[in-house]
Amino acid sequence: KAGVTQTPRYLIKTRGQQVTLSCSPISGHRSVSWYQQTPGQGLQFLFEYFSETQRNKGNFPGRFSGRQFSNSRSEMNVSTLELGDSALYLCASRAFGNSPLHFGNGTRLTVT
Amino acid sequence: AQSVSQHNHHVILSEAASLELGCNYSYGGTVNLFWYVQYPGQHLQLLLKYFSGDPLVKGIKGFEAEFIKSKFSFNLRKPSVQWSDTAEYFCAVNALESGAGSYQLTFGKGTKLSVIP
Repeated sequence: KAGVTQTPRYLIKTRGQQVTLSCSPISGHRSVSWYQQTPGQGLQFLFEYFSETQRNKGNFPGRFSGRQFSNSRSEMNVSTLELGDSALYLCASRAFGNSPLHFGNGTRLTVT
Repeated sequence: AQSVSQHNHHVILSEAASLELGCNYSYGGTVNLFWYVQYPGQHLQLLLKYFSGDPLVKGIKGFEAEFIKSKFSFNLRKPSVQWSDTAEYFCAVNALESGAGSYQLTFGKGTKLSVIP
């Protein structure tokens, strides 16, 4: 089975721009979660989608949004980028509610 | 909401030394517990998990962890580390978010392990 695939691997954007990150979950997994990883804060939960519905949301501003499509693929959007948004964004999928998450390699976003 | 604390930010050990990484969580209900590992340049991988039953769980590469409910702890151990164990280790708690009606996985901030040959 193919793992979780995230594209692109690297992104460089300037302040004020917006960005869209993409994630394809493991086949058969309907739950997709997004995390922000930074050296100081570790992994912080952004949101989780299941069957195209956002089920849970972390403590991030409204500039961070996401969606999930009928094929379970998910996108995350960050608008009006700030320098502090520079981070590794991780996508993870799981088969059901309390099963382990399977992570992708992440998208490294640098905001200049 | 649940929270997870990992006591050590960076641990440096010589090869063959024993390892114990601390993890405590705060949540009053039923939890599932995980340890993940992130090797340099690689994605997060599941090391081991605890759902129920025997509180001593064994994972890959000789790692084990013990769930002590009374102490809200899930410490990771390995009797003899190798240079290849150099990585960052994350403890995580999966608990039911009553408001959302779904499970949320909360991570600790991670512990970097450096093993010196």
